[in-house]
Amino acid sequence: QQQVKQSPQSLIVQKGGISIINCAYENTAFDYFPWYQQFPGKGPALLIAIRPDVSEKKEGRFTISFNKSAKQFSLHIMDSQPGDSATYFCAAIRNAGGTSYGKLTFGQGTILTVHP
Amino acid sequence: DTGVSQDPRHKITKRGQNVTFRCDPISEHNRLYWYRQTLGQGPEFLTYFQNEAQLEKSRLLSDRFSAERPKGSFSTLEIQRTEQGDSAMYLCASSLGGGNIQYFGAGTRLSVL
Repeated sequence: QQQVKQSPQSLIVQKGGISIINCAYENTAFDYFPWYQQFPGKGPALLIAIRPDVSEKKEGRFTISFNKSAKQFSLHIMDSQPGDSATYFCAAIRNAGGTSYGKLTFGQGTILTVHP
Repeated sequence: DTGVSQDPRHKITKRGQNVTFRCDPISEHNRLYWYRQTLGQGPEFLTYFQNEAQLEKSRLLSDRFSAERPKGSFSTLEIQRTEQGDSAMYLCASSLGGGNIQYFGAGTRLSVL
């Protein structure tokens, strides 16, 4: 059962453009939504994360938009650079009283290519 | 480097052999997680430990798989009687307390011939 669905599978943008990756989740118990960036041969690295009590979070060129009623969230990369070329994963995790249940549920991933 | 360390980075084995992977978490991180990632997919949760206690196991973790964290520090993941379907990247992550942020190692890539 795929609890977090991610699209598109791959994305090609020009340098300076905006990259947008979308995710949808099913389990309303999820309450923390991180995005991970993974380069070839490396493990995933946390990029940015959001809780469902806010609709947007921005860190530098990276922004998460969150729509709780639609159970959707998205990553926007502004002024995309060739160095941003990587695989991006959305994920979700559920907490209980502030203590994480521990299990990250990942989307399928988006391969982003930024052309110079 | 004080990040999550995994060993070996690559393992090639023949079907039916046993393999063991090691993960050293970030110092003082009491939670340790194992995930499996196949080509073109996101990581899938296998199991996690809080200190030495194994708190949750996925249905993906068949009886051929066993994980330990004997002293609450490093962990090992053993696969017995490997099958070609076990070929994947095995990722380890650690976190501090009940925090949401998990730090991943570079993974062990297993190829079963």
